[in-house]
Amino acid sequence: EDQVTQSPEALRLQEGESSSLNCSYTVSGLRGLFWYRQDPGKGPEFLFTLYSAGEEKEKERLKATLTKKESFLHITAPKPEDSATYLCAVTGSGGGADGLTFGKGTHLIIQP
Amino acid sequence: DTGVSQDPRHKITKRGQNVTFRCDPISEHNRLYWYRQTLGQGPEFLTYFQNEAQLEKSRLLSDRFSAERPKGSFSTLEIQRTEQGDSAMYLCASSRDRDAGYTFGSGTRLTVV
Repeated sequence: EDQVTQSPEALRLQEGESSSLNCSYTVSGLRGLFWYRQDPGKGPEFLFTLYSAGEEKEKERLKATLTKKESFLHITAPKPEDSATYLCAVTGSGGGADGLTFGKGTHLIIQP
Repeated sequence: DTGVSQDPRHKITKRGQNVTFRCDPISEHNRLYWYRQTLGQGPEFLTYFQNEAQLEKSRLLSDRFSAERPKGSFSTLEIQRTEQGDSAMYLCASSRDRDAGYTFGSGTRLTVV
């Protein structure tokens, strides 16, 4: 069974204070690792897909990296509008559900 | 707006009643997914369709739940004889293919009283 563990559960940063969110995963034959952002009362918003170890993707202040066991979402010089819950999810090639397996998320607060 | 649309946004129902939610995916996406999310948790997979065929159902989807996607367009999720444990956000998502990022709708918040 695929498993995703995210840490920390919550993170409070000052504006401009860079940090990283962790996503550890167990999956049979990783097909893709996904990062989403979710604002309160809304559906998740797609950020990145990573397919193989060593891959990196960037978007504005966010950079996602992938190893064989975990992924990191690096946030550089964050702004208050980056406050949200960040979700990590995986899909594998093993038998079972075709859908994504999500972690519980990291609730990020950026204080001005 | 070409995003995923869900209706209604909020639904309050009494225990034992039936409810139905609707999802309109992005028109060129042939895959449609339903997820359920409770407070403090990530979304949990319920079921998915490729065109009109329902290809996978999670064990979370009890006999009280049924989903349809007639003609491979919009989809409906029905919950019969609702229970308080069904209270959650029900999210719909669509994608072009299995490994592409999903586009989620804003969800339907169900409260069973």
